[in-house]
Amino acid sequence: DAGVTQTPRHEVAEKGQTIILKCEPVSGHNDLFWYRQTKIQGLELLSYFRSKSLMEDGGAFKDRFKAEMLNSSFSTLKIQPTEPKDSAVYLCASSLSGLGQDTQYFGPGTRLLVL
Amino acid sequence: QQQVRQSPQSLTVWEGETAILNCSYEDSTFNYFPWYQQFPGEGPALLISIRSVSDKKEDGRFTIFFNKREKKLSLHITDSQPGDSATYFCAASDSNNRIFFGDGTQLVVKP
Repeated sequence: DAGVTQTPRHEVAEKGQTIILKCEPVSGHNDLFWYRQTKIQGLELLSYFRSKSLMEDGGAFKDRFKAEMLNSSFSTLKIQPTEPKDSAVYLCASSLSGLGQDTQYFGPGTRLLVL
Repeated sequence: QQQVRQSPQSLTVWEGETAILNCSYEDSTFNYFPWYQQFPGEGPALLISIRSVSDKKEDGRFTIFFNKREKKLSLHITDSQPGDSATYFCAASDSNNRIFFGDGTQLVVKP
């Protein structure tokens, strides 16, 4: 079975640009998560979807970050406009359902550098 | 307030030794505690997990010890191998599947 797929693996953007990161969850999984990972802040939840419905939108990340789940097998994270402090690894994860504490399966991440 | 705390931030052990990674949490409603292992360039992957009804979970060389009263748990890696060198994240989850991660412990196992 294919795991979580993320594209691109690396992205370099100029300050002020719009970038879109893509994620394909494990087939059949109902929950999808977007995280940002940095050495200083660790893993921070950006968005959480359950059966395509947005459950959490990450509070502090609301203004420039927008995650969408276009269908059950594809999600995007748009950052607009980008700032240098957005440089981080963006991880997508999926789990089977929200009814119990199911294992989250992570993708390899997209490493973003904003100049 | 950080919900999950880990210590130490980094740990170096020799091959064959036991590595002990510590974790504590704040919210007493947390009832599921997965540990994730992350290698450079990869996403975290579930290593082992425990539910709050148990005080110990073993899987090969990896054992979780859980103390509900003190809201603490630890991951013991016996007979550590260089291939165990990675960052280990303790996490805590509630019944709504919200999960909170600690900042991780970077483990280095020297041959």
